[in-house]
Amino acid sequence: AQSVTQPDIHITVSEGASLELRCNYSYGATPYLFWYVQSPGQGLQLLLKYFSGDTLVQGIKGFEAEFKRSQSSFNLRKPSVHWSDAAEYFCPPLSGAGSYQLTFGKGTKLSVIP
Amino acid sequence: NAGVTQTPKFQVLKTGQSMTLQCAQDMNHNSMYWYRQDPGMGLRLIYYSASEGTTDKGEVPNGYNVSRLNKREFSLRLESAAPSQTSVYFCASSVLPRDIHGYTFGSGTRLTVV
Repeated sequence: AQSVTQPDIHITVSEGASLELRCNYSYGATPYLFWYVQSPGQGLQLLLKYFSGDTLVQGIKGFEAEFKRSQSSFNLRKPSVHWSDAAEYFCPPLSGAGSYQLTFGKGTKLSVIP
Repeated sequence: NAGVTQTPKFQVLKTGQSMTLQCAQDMNHNSMYWYRQDPGMGLRLIYYSASEGTTDKGEVPNGYNVSRLNKREFSLRLESAAPSQTSVYFCASSVLPRDIHGYTFGSGTRLTVV
């Protein structure tokens, strides 16, 4: 069965510190991979995406993510966190073979300490 | 602004009442989706419409019906609301069902069933 795991339910970092959010998926083939951010009371906004090519992808708001096939991971990083980054983050994969849906995990809530 | 518009933003229903959640997109997307979000559960797909004239069940379709009214509009109906349907509902759209550009989400409808 297709699945995605975000091992960290809640992470707290200080403003200005670096950030890495983990995402692991289980699929046979390389899926299309995404990171979305959901600010409190808001909808989901696409941060970045990967489907082929360079495994390090750049997104909006200074975020980047690296696809590692050997580890089935697509971790999100940011070198210096801002207070406005406090939100919930999701990494739903979209299987490249016969799936019509983004498969969401439980997400990671990020809190930022001033 | 272009995007996905959901109405209403908030709704309180009594058990057994019916209502329809409306969703419209102005991006000329072919595919539309309804998700529900519950605390600690991520987003789960209720129904989707791969193209105008088609609808299919997602992960949690029980208690819901949908109508793809035209290419722009995709509504979700609760015929007899139950407290278990208290949730935040998100509509999304994409160019294609398996869209490498991801989905665009609306800002959500917060529904409480008492």
